[in-house]
Amino acid sequence: DAKTTQPNSMESNEEEPVHLPCNHSTISGTDYIHWYRQLPSQGPEYVIHGLTSNVNNRMASLAIAEDRKSSTLILHRATLRDAAVYYCILRGMDSSYKLIFGSGTRLLVRP
Amino acid sequence: EAGVAQSPRYKIIEKRQSVAFWCNPISGHATLYWYQQILGQGPKLLIQFQNNGVVDDSQLPKDRFSAERLKGVDSTLKIQPAKLEDSAVYLCASSLSPGGPGELFFGEGSRLTVL
Repeated sequence: DAKTTQPNSMESNEEEPVHLPCNHSTISGTDYIHWYRQLPSQGPEYVIHGLTSNVNNRMASLAIAEDRKSSTLILHRATLRDAAVYYCILRGMDSSYKLIFGSGTRLLVRP
Repeated sequence: EAGVAQSPRYKIIEKRQSVAFWCNPISGHATLYWYQQILGQGPKLLIQFQNNGVVDDSQLPKDRFSAERLKGVDSTLKIQPAKLEDSAVYLCASSLSPGGPGELFFGEGSRLTVL
């Protein structure tokens, strides 16, 4: 399975933007870049995904590097509720689009 | 729209006992997954069903774990006999599409403690 590399933890202040990085240098042409997050004591929830172009939705934005070897999840204004573990995951045909989690980035939001 | 339902939320058993977890996916979702999440780690895929057939159970410890989805709707995951290392949260997820990068919807999980 194609691997991703994320920092173990990051901190942010409330109401400030947060940029969560993800490296995926071995990404293949059919791999989608997915982000899920897991709030305390809850199951993971979908945040956003993309293939080549940047993507926006109501939760976040996904910026994908031109060579696709890295991406950044952007939370435009962090709230206390955004404190969670964020997982960057590659899903592609080679792995039958399985959702395989790594250890993710734990985001701490300071009030 | 109702989400993925799981029960029980918490279960405490002694080693060598058995336990079963139940999952009811979102209505109409053909694909169902069971994940195991040990404290401090990301979820690990145990088994994937497509309707009532198994697509992937390569990570399921088949000597003690079993899962079924008889009518292609709800599913049961069983552990018999349980070991201390089975202490974890068992997450069920479902998705609409039979393949491809569609969104997975997760339940809140069933937390198992094995003493």
